[in-house]
Amino acid sequence: QSALTQPRSVSGSPGQSVTISCTGTSSDIGGYNYVSWFQQHPGKAPKVMIYDVSKRPSGVPDRFSGSKSGSTASLTISGLQAEDEADYYCCSYAGSYTWVFGGGTKLTVL
Amino acid sequence: QVQLVESGGGVVQPGTSLTLSCAASGFTFSNYGMHWVRQAPGKGLEWVAVIWYDGINRYYVDSVKGRFTISRDNSKNTLYLQMNSLRAEDTAVYYCARGWLRGIAVASNAGDYWGQGTLVTVSS
Repeated sequence: QSALTQPRSVSGSPGQSVTISCTGTSSDIGGYNYVSWFQQHPGKAPKVMIYDVSKRPSGVPDRFSGSKSGSTASLTISGLQAEDEADYYCCSYAGSYTWVFGGGTKLTVL
Repeated sequence: QVQLVESGGGVVQPGTSLTLSCAASGFTFSNYGMHWVRQAPGKGLEWVAVIWYDGINRYYVDSVKGRFTISRDNSKNTLYLQMNSLRAEDTAVYYCARGWLRGIAVASNAGDYWGQGTLVTVSS
């Protein structure tokens, strides 16, 4: 049950695209297509932005997209906006009815 | 609308017990699995426990096995987390989150709605 690996921080200018990576193992990301991404603003509860690797819940802008290759998942945010500045966490099913989160990535919109 | 409201947090001494509650509304509680997730101050999210919609199956992260118990009362639309033998490292905001809909893949939903969390501080 080791945490997934995410970069501590990423940044981009308004209108640009950024990609946040999330690296796991064959026991979690690599073994299942159940990766979620959560956005968390300071002092707020997490909000799901992507589930099942690449599906977007209703209400989430299509600027947010997810993908996976092997044991690494990625969240791409295109057309960056000021309100996208937040912490982002990946989460993967890890088998035996357990889940594991990444350490989180702070996105700064310059 | 879906609402999850946690309560029961507070300051407790190491070795003592505390029970958290999560009151659910706006959806058919008995049809959904539920999660507890915690976040230590200034740290990332950590999945803690999950319970099936009918309360029969329950699973935990290794660090809380044998100390924490997740349960639910579907007649009261309430989720619980009983925490025993608390340690300083259990200090965190505890969130409840709605999981999968009965009949849908269990692993698919790590939380589509979350409460605002309740802070547990374990300190002497």
